[in-house]
Amino acid sequence: QQQVKQSPQSLIVQKGGISIINCAYENTAFDYFPWYQQFPGKGPALLIAIRPDVSEKKEGRFTISFNKSAKQFSLHIMDSQPGDSATYFCAASTRGATNKLIFGTGTLLAVQP
Amino acid sequence: DAGITQSPRHKVTETGTPVTLRCHQTENHRYMYWYRQDPGHGLRLIHYSYGVKDTDKGEVSDGYSVSRSKTEDFLLTLESATSSQTSVYFCAISAVAGDGQPQHFGDGTRLSIL
Repeated sequence: QQQVKQSPQSLIVQKGGISIINCAYENTAFDYFPWYQQFPGKGPALLIAIRPDVSEKKEGRFTISFNKSAKQFSLHIMDSQPGDSATYFCAASTRGATNKLIFGTGTLLAVQP
Repeated sequence: DAGITQSPRHKVTETGTPVTLRCHQTENHRYMYWYRQDPGHGLRLIHYSYGVKDTDKGEVSDGYSVSRSKTEDFLLTLESATSSQTSVYFCAISAVAGDGQPQHFGDGTRLSIL
């Protein structure tokens, strides 16, 4: 059962454009929503994360928008650069003793120069 | 970067053979996790550990076992490897659980089972 649905599967954006990746979740007990960035041959690395008590979080060119009522959250990459080309994963977890993450299926982003 | 070393980085083996993957950390973090990554599935949790000798199952634990005899080492064993276990395996660590403490990942082990 896919608890976190991610779209699109792949995305091509021109340099300087905005990249948008969307995720939807089902479990209302989720209360932590991180995004991970993964380059080929490397493990995922935490990019930015949000809690459901805020609707938006921004770190540099990366912004998470969160809609609790719709159970959706999205990653926006402003002024996309070729160096942003990577696979992006959304994830969700519940506050608790184990911090188990449920991941989306990933989005392969290609930023064309 | 978090001090996480996975070994081996690549392995090719035959169906029916036992395989052990190692995750070694130098951060003294309490929590350790094993994931597998497959196209179209993202990362899926196999097993995790919340302390020495304390482990529990994740969502895809069938065919896998783990052991943690020291804080720094978390071993993943495939008792009798099958082709469906061909995947990239990632280890992750976390200092504490709760409050969304980030998980830090190793660079993975690419396992091919022929």
